[in-house]
Amino acid sequence: GAVVSQHPSRVICKSGTSVKIECRSLDFQATTMFWYRQFPKQSLMLMATSNEGSKATYEQGVEKDKFLINHASLTLSTLTVTSAHPEDSSFYICSATWGTANTEAFFGQGTRLTVV
Amino acid sequence: RKEVEQDPGPFNVPEGATVAFNCTYSNSASQSFFWYRQDCRKEPKLLMSVYSSGNEDGRFTAQLNRASQYISLLIRDSKLSDSATYLCVVVSGTYKYIFGTGTRLKVLA
Repeated sequence: GAVVSQHPSRVICKSGTSVKIECRSLDFQATTMFWYRQFPKQSLMLMATSNEGSKATYEQGVEKDKFLINHASLTLSTLTVTSAHPEDSSFYICSATWGTANTEAFFGQGTRLTVV
Repeated sequence: RKEVEQDPGPFNVPEGATVAFNCTYSNSASQSFFWYRQDCRKEPKLLMSVYSSGNEDGRFTAQLNRASQYISLLIRDSKLSDSATYLCVVVSGTYKYIFGTGTRLKVLA
């Protein structure tokens, strides 16, 4: 299957700082990328959908000024958690697809963020 | 009502058993459906797509019932390695992939 690489896999940051997570599609052009977060023993919650070259569409309850998403190219999307707080500690996963509804989405390995 | 709903389980079954999970969705205009498997602390991996006519892959069978708006996954002859969380995914509207809460399966020796 297609490969999506997410980096870093694990990060610990201080409260109040910002953290950037990268999601790259290595062998295909990802017209659409998704960002999810997952708390322990819970399902993936969609945070936002981003299409290359346009602004991300955020789900209800997700602060767009706190979770900055950039999808500047067909192979790269970034999620920046700004002014991180301990409650932002979670598992963040990206997925990418080349855009038709019948296409499976491929997932990055996830980033475990711990804010101390 | 959640867009996609699953029984969280856990389902504890003995090796060799047959187990079935259902997943209901609220948007009748949903276009595509998938089952993903997620192992603890790992990213989800596609298990199988779900087609209107139903599809089978080895011990796994997926069914779609559009009239009742649910999809199902049947696992026959369960193996220890089948222990995982099974997530149903419904694709709606502008290719929005929505995950169910997942159903935890534990296959016991």
